[in-house]
Amino acid sequence: GESVGLHLPTLSVQEGDNSIINCAYSNSASDYFIWYKQESGKGPQFIIDIRSNMDKRQGQRVTVLLNKTVKHLSLQIAATQPGDSAVYFCAENTYNNNDMRFGAGTRLTVKP
Amino acid sequence: DAGVIQSPRHEVTEMGQEVTLRCKPISGHNSLFWYRQTMMRGLELLIYFNNNVPIDDSGMPEDRFSAKMPNASFSTLKIQPSEPRDSAVYFCASSLLIGGKNEQFFGPGTRLTVL
Repeated sequence: GESVGLHLPTLSVQEGDNSIINCAYSNSASDYFIWYKQESGKGPQFIIDIRSNMDKRQGQRVTVLLNKTVKHLSLQIAATQPGDSAVYFCAENTYNNNDMRFGAGTRLTVKP
Repeated sequence: DAGVIQSPRHEVTEMGQEVTLRCKPISGHNSLFWYRQTMMRGLELLIYFNNNVPIDDSGMPEDRFSAKMPNASFSTLKIQPSEPRDSAVYFCASSLLIGGKNEQFFGPGTRLTVL
């Protein structure tokens, strides 16, 4: 296997606890953000998005928070379940633009 | 809807051989993306098409890589000649860019191993 590579931040939580995954983005011009979930052996899957005219958006068990001042995005997962174990990516671009840039990802492990 | 379809799912080839990866986007989507994912570099955008036209290929590593989209329902990513460092998972994604929203739907990926 590879001995050098991306060292994904990891987060380990107990089943039932809430999870918070953080992401710092780089482009101050970015105004559209998406969180993706990637399970082992699968492609990334859309979870939730947010535009820069909002600072919070809620979905089913997930909430995305956006702080434009410090260019920070977070994903909160309520009552984390074993099925939430995956790598989570934030992605940024400018609205109505196809050039989506992905972060390195965070690996979430849920302990039963 | 079957989602984005990629073939093959796994490809093992020898260095120097030509490799062709295929993608069928979701019907009605107007944008198609090719990504490469490795442990070393994470998820990288290689190229994307809008309405079958290549828009940004700045992520294509070198001239050995080429991509085509002859029609709205099919795209190929070709590597010729392949090298061991091309080993990665290659994802195709499609989206309908409308009203600014850009949710990309990813295929299952092709795991390429170049020996």
